[in-house]
Amino acid sequence: AQSVTQLGSHVSVSEGALVLLRCNYSSSVPPYLFWYVQYPNQGLQLLLKYTSAATLVKGINGFEAEFKKSETSFHLTKPSAHMSDAAEYFCAVMLSSNTGKLIFGQGTTLQVKP
Amino acid sequence: NAGVTQTPKFQVLKTGQSMTLQCAQDMNHEYMSWYRQDPGMGLRLIHYSVGAGITDQGEVPNGYNVSRSTTEDFPLRLLSAAPSQTSVYFCASSQSGRAKTGELFFGEGSRLTVL
Repeated sequence: AQSVTQLGSHVSVSEGALVLLRCNYSSSVPPYLFWYVQYPNQGLQLLLKYTSAATLVKGINGFEAEFKKSETSFHLTKPSAHMSDAAEYFCAVMLSSNTGKLIFGQGTTLQVKP
Repeated sequence: NAGVTQTPKFQVLKTGQSMTLQCAQDMNHEYMSWYRQDPGMGLRLIHYSVGAGITDQGEVPNGYNVSRSTTEDFPLRLLSAAPSQTSVYFCASSQSGRAKTGELFFGEGSRLTVL
C-alpha cells in the first residue's frame, strides 16, 4: 500500500533562512505526489504537484519540490522564509490509477522566527 | 464564488447523539470527499463520491454515512456519535478529471466535539 512519511512534526527557521520540509513516500507504482498548505483555521490549499513530468516542480509562493525516485523522496524547499509562510504543510500521495483518493502524511508545522 | 461551504463550523454532541455535517460546492465539481484531521495523523479519508448517486468508502468509514443526491451537496452523517469521532472534518471537491491529479478544493472545516 502506498503511504507518505513526513520527517519532523515541527520545523523552526529564521526569517530569510532556507526552508526544507521532508517527505518520503512508499509506492509500488509511479506515484502522483503533492504538497498542501494549511494556514490557521483554514482548509488546505494546493502548493504544488508532481505527476511524472519534470522532476523539479515549482509551486506557489516561491516553493518548489524535487522528485527523487532513487531516494523515494519529495522534499519541499524555499530559499528564503517569510513570516507569512508559517503554517502546517502536508505531503500526499495518490496512485495514478486511483479515483482521486489522497493519502496524507502526518503534517509538519513550520514556525518562522523574526 | 463561495467554493466549498461547510456547516456548522463548530458543534458539541453528547455520546449517542446523531447529526449531519453539511457540505455544498458551487463549482459544479463531480468529485467530493470527506476527511477527518487529528493531531499527528494528518488527514484521513472517510468517504468520497465521484458523482451524484455514487459513493464509496475511504480509509476510516466506520460510524459515518454519506449520500449524494445532487452534484452540489455531500452531507456526512454521524449515526451515533462517539468520543473517538471528536475531530476536525474537512469536505473537499474537484472536477472529475482533476480529481485524478489531486487538485482538491477544501472547505474551512467543521470542528466536532463529542462528550
